[in-house]
Amino acid sequence: GAVVSQHPSWVICKSGTSVKIECRSLDFQATTMFWYRQFPKQSLMLMATSNEGSKATYEQGVEKDKFLINHASLTLSTLTVTSAHPEDSSFYICSAREDRRQFFGPGTRLTVL
Amino acid sequence: GQNIDQPTEMTATEGAIVQINCTYQTSGFNGLFWYQQHAGEAPTFLSYNVLDGLEEKGRFSSFLSRSKGYSYLLLKELQMKDSASYLCAVMDSNYQLIWGAGTKLIIKP
Repeated sequence: GAVVSQHPSWVICKSGTSVKIECRSLDFQATTMFWYRQFPKQSLMLMATSNEGSKATYEQGVEKDKFLINHASLTLSTLTVTSAHPEDSSFYICSAREDRRQFFGPGTRLTVL
Repeated sequence: GQNIDQPTEMTATEGAIVQINCTYQTSGFNGLFWYQQHAGEAPTFLSYNVLDGLEEKGRFSSFLSRSKGYSYLLLKELQMKDSASYLCAVMDSNYQLIWGAGTKLIIKP
């Protein structure tokens, strides 16, 4: 299957700082990428849908000014958590669509102190 | 509204067979997916069904009945490493994935 990478795998930061997470489709082009968040023992929650060359579509309740998404190329989407706070600590997972299938990156574990 | 239902948790014995059911009600249908997610890891793709019937892939099989809004994932010859959450997801008419809450499968020796 297609490969999606995510970087970094984990990050620890101080409250108030910003963190950027990269998501790359390695062997295919993805016009659509997705960003999910998952808290411990909870379901995947879709945060936003990112389309190459256009603005991301955010799910209800997700602050677009806090979670900045840039999908500048067909193989790269970035999520920036701005002014991170402890409640933003979570497992952030991206996925990329190839045809109808969605392939997930390995996830980024964010801990905000 | 859109809804995906699957059991919260199931327990099975190593070497046995287990069937995880999923029922759905969505706005349109462009396929049903099963993913496996081990604790602390991202989901991995298992199967995709868009036509009625059974798709077999090694120890795992997935079945779909569109008229009943029903699918199941069948796992044979269970191994301890199969302990994970299994996520059912349906692609709706907008090609968006609607996710079930996942079924935690516990395998006992």
